Amino acid sequence: GENVEQHPSTLSVQEGDSAVIKCTYSDSASNYFPWYKQELGKGPQLIIDIRSNVGEKKDQRIAVTLNKTAKHFSLHITETQPEDSAVYFCAANQAAGNKLTFGGGTRVLVKP
Amino acid sequence: DTGVSQNPRHKITKRGQNVTFRCDPISEHNRLYWYRQTLGQGPEFLTYFQNEAQLEKSRLLSDRFSAERPKGSFSTLEIQRTEQGDSAMYLCASSPKVATPQLSTDTQYFGPGTRLTVL
Repeated sequence: GENVEQHPSTLSVQEGDSAVIKCTYSDSASNYFPWYKQELGKGPQLIIDIRSNVGEKKDQRIAVTLNKTAKHFSLHITETQPEDSAVYFCAANQAAGNKLTFGGGTRVLVKP
Repeated sequence: DTGVSQNPRHKITKRGQNVTFRCDPISEHNRLYWYRQTLGQGPEFLTYFQNEAQLEKSRLLSDRFSAERPKGSFSTLEIQRTEQGDSAMYLCASSPKVATPQLSTDTQYFGPGTRLTVL
């Protein structure tokens, strides 16, 4: 089955700096890669996603890049703000049923 | 609120008791997923439904677990004879049947979860 590795597990940045989180996946059949933000006591909230036919996608301060050959994808947050502090999860789908396999999460702390 | 809702939000039970959780997906979403999340980990897939049909179950779903979606709308997850290892956040997600310019049928929208504590 699919295996998703996520790094780093924790990330501390100064407000205004950029944050980058990287994930690798194992199943070459995966074609959908979402990123979720989870705040304490809440369910994961989708922040951006990318399909395998696209190499990069951007939404305001958030961007995701995908390298299908190397089987890795990354989340980039620019101009970080204190409200970006949360746990971020990457995920990859399995084509049959579209169930998601999640990475272990990255705890991001944005220091004011 | 038109998001995924889950009830109860918190459940504390004693070992050996049965518990049942409910998930109400976003209206007209035909796929419904259950995941389990333990502290400090990412969610792990348990099972999913397309309409009322349960199409896949993870090996994590032991015989003590059962899920239903009788009318293709809300779903229930029951755990019988709970064990301390069942303590976790149980998350429900749903996906739309029809894609729009803004929404993909791959997109899974999560509810707030039910936190289960087994004493």
